[in-house]
Amino acid sequence: GQQLNQSPQSMFIQEGEDVSMNCTSSSIFNTWLWYKQEPGEGPVLLIALYKAGELTSNGRLTAQFGITRKDSFLNISASIPSDVGIYFCAGSGYALNFGKGTSLLVTP
Amino acid sequence: EADIYQTPRYLVIGTGKKITLECSQTMGHDKMYWYQQDPGMELHLIHYSYGVNSTEKGDLSSESTVSRIRTEHFPLTLESARPSHTSQYLCASSDGRADGYTFGSGTRLTVV
Repeated sequence: GQQLNQSPQSMFIQEGEDVSMNCTSSSIFNTWLWYKQEPGEGPVLLIALYKAGELTSNGRLTAQFGITRKDSFLNISASIPSDVGIYFCAGSGYALNFGKGTSLLVTP
Repeated sequence: EADIYQTPRYLVIGTGKKITLECSQTMGHDKMYWYQQDPGMELHLIHYSYGVNSTEKGDLSSESTVSRIRTEHFPLTLESARPSHTSQYLCASSDGRADGYTFGSGTRLTVV
């Protein structure tokens, strides 16, 4: 499968701060997705992006599908402790191809 | 309320044992997948199925095998477990859309 490079690998922030993470690929994807995984659970879909240039929000989360279709970013505004988890980008092919994940820790 | 179920949640087993990880979904999805994930790491596709009697190997080579005799059931088998098989195994199903995946809670396997 295609390689997705996700950064940063981890983030340790204070409650109320904004967070930004991104994902790049050497290949084009027609759909980019962002998932969150909490300990002991499977990934849960946060946002799906379908068109190059698309900017989509879901509450405090905002994600964009890059113009080249080879990258995407996710922003979380005003972080709260329950945002803790691992965030994965994924590109859609014959199955989902996942990035390496960004581990987010939020201190009160 | 989960629509995709994996059992067992945790399994500790000795080297050389045969094991089967169960995955069942109640959504009628044709497409099902197995991913392998080391703690805190990315998910690697090891098997997928597009329907009954259809199985394919994924991007990561795996010594496990799968079967798809019924739409709702996609078990994964290791004939002879080894410590290198220690990992988390996640099952997923899809309605065919990129945003239509549902993941199970996973089976955390430890081979001693």
